[in-house]
Amino acid sequence: GNSVTQMEGPVTLSEEAFLTINCTYTATGYPSLFWYVQYPGEGLQLLLKATKADDKGSNKGFEATYRKETTSFHLEKGSVQVSDSAVYFCALSAFTGTASKLTFGTGTRLQVTL
Amino acid sequence: DGGITQSPKYLFRKEGQNVTLSCEQNLNHDAMYWYRQDPGQGLRLIYYSQIVNDFQKGDIAEGYSVSREKKESFPLTVTSAQKNPTAFYLCAVRDRGYTEAFFGQGTRLTVV
Repeated sequence: GNSVTQMEGPVTLSEEAFLTINCTYTATGYPSLFWYVQYPGEGLQLLLKATKADDKGSNKGFEATYRKETTSFHLEKGSVQVSDSAVYFCALSAFTGTASKLTFGTGTRLQVTL
Repeated sequence: DGGITQSPKYLFRKEGQNVTLSCEQNLNHDAMYWYRQDPGQGLRLIYYSQIVNDFQKGDIAEGYSVSREKKESFPLTVTSAQKNPTAFYLCAVRDRGYTEAFFGQGTRLTVV
């Protein structure tokens, strides 16, 4: 079946540090890939997406590139802020039979300190 | 708020009770999903519906039930058969292209 593996957290960084959160996936066919962010007590918000190999998704300074050869979709940001503290989920969308389902990783908590 | 409304935000259930969580959307999307979130376990799919009057079990459907009588609404009932219902429940919707999902703000259910 499909699966998503994320690096375990928490990840603790100082403000303005470089961020990388690793994500690898297993899927048949050609999935679409997503990063979602969740702030405490809230639902998930789409951060960025990529729908085919070599696509780069970007939003609010975050970037991720769809690498089919390494089945990866690592999240990066050049300079994190305290307001980026949240839980980040990597996810893929693929058809299983006749249904399209989203499969999520377990989430990585990011804490940014001054 | 993305056009997806979950209510209530907090819900308390006594042992042996059934409770129903509401999910309403005004995005006119066909597919709706219910997920359960437990600490450190990510999101697990409970039920999903791709069209009105049709729904399928997800990975952890035991102890839950749903209905899809209207396109806008996909309520989830947590029955007394669900032995460990304390969790954060998230509703999501997707359009016909099945790309990204949009989430509600969640309902936190606690057994008292």
